[in-house]
Amino acid sequence: DAKTTQPNSMESNEEEPVHLPCNHSTISGTDYIHWYRQLPSQGPEYVIHGLTSNVNNRMASLAIAEDRKSSTLILHRATLRDAAVYYCILRDALGGSNYKLTFGKGTLLTVNP
Amino acid sequence: NAGVMQNPRHLVRRRGQEARLRCSPMKGHSHVYWYRQLPEEGLKFMVYLQKENIIDESGMPKERFSAEFPKEGPSILRIQQVVRGDSAAYFCASSEGTSGYNEQFFGPGTRLTVL
Repeated sequence: DAKTTQPNSMESNEEEPVHLPCNHSTISGTDYIHWYRQLPSQGPEYVIHGLTSNVNNRMASLAIAEDRKSSTLILHRATLRDAAVYYCILRDALGGSNYKLTFGKGTLLTVNP
Repeated sequence: NAGVMQNPRHLVRRRGQEARLRCSPMKGHSHVYWYRQLPEEGLKFMVYLQKENIIDESGMPKERFSAEFPKEGPSILRIQQVVRGDSAAYFCASSEGTSGYNEQFFGPGTRLTVL
């Protein structure tokens, strides 16, 4: 499985945008980029995913580099509720065992009031 | 549409007892996954089931652990003769499909403590 690299931690202030980076230099052409987050004492929660184009949904935006070797999850206005561990995960569109989500250590986002 | 439900939320067992963890997937989802999160560690895949079938149990310890997803009723993760090292949070997830774009929806988890 292609691996991802994320910073261990990041800090933000409430109401400000947050850019969470992820490097995936060995990504294959059929890998989707997924983001999940885990709030304290809760189960993981799906945030967003994309393949090649940038994506927006009600929770966040996903910016994917043109060469697809990196991506950035953007929270437009951080709230205290966004404090969580954010995971960047690659999933192959072509099957195999792509149902297995491989969680790394993720990025612990702290949001200051 | 109710989300993925797990019960109990907290379970305390003494060494040697059995633990049964239940998971009801989201309505319409036939794919169920179990993950384990040991203290201070990341989430690890354990097993993937469809109705009445175990598809992939490669992440499950070979002994004492079993999982099922019967035709009727919730999925069950069963741990026999629990040991202290089994203390962890166990999360169940479900999905509509298994392609690379299908998101998995997670339950709130069962926190197992073995005394």
